[in-house]
Amino acid sequence: NAGVTQTPKFQVLKTGQSMTLQCAQDMNHEYMSWYRQDPGMGLRLIHYSVGAGITDQGEVPNGYNVSRSTTEDFPLRLLSAAPSQTSVYFCASSYTTGGNTEAFFGQGTRLTVV
Amino acid sequence: SQKIEQNSEALNIQEGKTATLTCNYTNYSPAYLQWYRQDPGRGPVFLLLIRENEKEKRKERLKVTFDTTLKQSLFHITASQPADSATYLCALDRAGGSYIPTFGRGTSLIVHP
Repeated sequence: NAGVTQTPKFQVLKTGQSMTLQCAQDMNHEYMSWYRQDPGMGLRLIHYSVGAGITDQGEVPNGYNVSRSTTEDFPLRLLSAAPSQTSVYFCASSYTTGGNTEAFFGQGTRLTVV
Repeated sequence: SQKIEQNSEALNIQEGKTATLTCNYTNYSPAYLQWYRQDPGRGPVFLLLIRENEKEKRKERLKVTFDTTLKQSLFHITASQPADSATYLCALDRAGGSYIPTFGRGTSLIVHP
């Protein structure tokens, strides 16, 4: 019963490096999203997807790219890491049925950019 | 843009008492409101959803109210236990109708034995 799986759990990058945070869900959910969580700032939406092939920007998209080629996977790419991107990143998948909706979150990736 | 406000100060209560957390929102009329629990180092976990046409929802020791006139939701935990200590997040549906929640900053609850 995997749910939403994020890898890696921890990562240290040097300024200017690029990397991809992986997110996979096995619940066949249409909706997937990436958030970052900083102390005192709560969860802020970076990018989201309402289905395979469809992505859109959230509140804080600059410096990040996403793609959704399959229902299961929604990777987040950091193009050129900056210290301001030091944060905890959460991936979530959501379903909706009969007016109910619920988001399931991964365990998070703690990223430090030095 | 929609704004969600939760008390940033931690709520400290004694075991057995009722904890009440507040979520206020502005610049939006959400179709629903959700509450999540987050433990340190973990992702949020869904607790309850209440729709705009519902005044109150209950689940075991949890109760949520939704006042669309006041633009406010109250989240109650009755007979609180130390295990209820966590951060509780309020979330609204994102403007534009997608089922991607927008979160408040959360309120930390500490239940003392």
